[in-house]
Amino acid sequence: NAGVTQTPKFRVLKTGQSMTLLCAQDMNHEYMYWYRQDPGMGLRLIHYSVGEGTTAKGEVPDGYNVSRLKKQNFLLGLESAAPSQTSVYFCASSSQTVPYEQYFGPGTRLTVT
Amino acid sequence: DQQVKQNSPSLSVQEGRISILNCDYTNSMFDYFLWYKKYPAEGPTFLISISSIKDKNEDGRFTVFLNKSAKHLSLHIVPSQPGDSAVYFCAASPGLYSGGYQKVTFGIGTKLQVIP
Repeated sequence: NAGVTQTPKFRVLKTGQSMTLLCAQDMNHEYMYWYRQDPGMGLRLIHYSVGEGTTAKGEVPDGYNVSRLKKQNFLLGLESAAPSQTSVYFCASSSQTVPYEQYFGPGTRLTVT
Repeated sequence: DQQVKQNSPSLSVQEGRISILNCDYTNSMFDYFLWYKKYPAEGPTFLISISSIKDKNEDGRFTVFLNKSAKHLSLHIVPSQPGDSAVYFCAASPGLYSGGYQKVTFGIGTKLQVIP
């Protein structure tokens, strides 16, 4: 089992460019999440999904969009990147029965110049 | 408003001694508490959890203590090993009473260094 994988691992964008981060999990988990981690702050939830075809906003959703067309995949999109979106992005998944025990991917380090 | 607080950004402990990581919370609706461990360039990994109906949960060298009246929990690692050097995140959730997804709130983390 690969668990949770994220692509790419690193990316540098110019302000205004767009990109999509891909997350995949092979644990058949119903719930998936996107977090960002910034220095001096805990993990902050951007968006989450409780099932295929459903998404919901977390605590910092502005500037991001998500899609979950397949149960195993959760995509995070930045339509017009801003320097404030420079961060490390983590995807996670969890089962419906124990949703708070989350399995995380290795992270994507994004720099927006 | 930080609902989960880890006031010590870092901690150094000698190998073989006890490591105690502390966490305070403010939201009385939190019902389930977790600790995650994170190595550099990796994602956090779940370590141990405790429900509010308990005051202690043990898993090998790791024990979590919960003091609900003080809204405080701690993670004890005994004995500490160099491989335990990592960032430890405290996290809390309202639990499953109302069913469905319940948001997990994370602290900012404490960096533990175990000195050989």
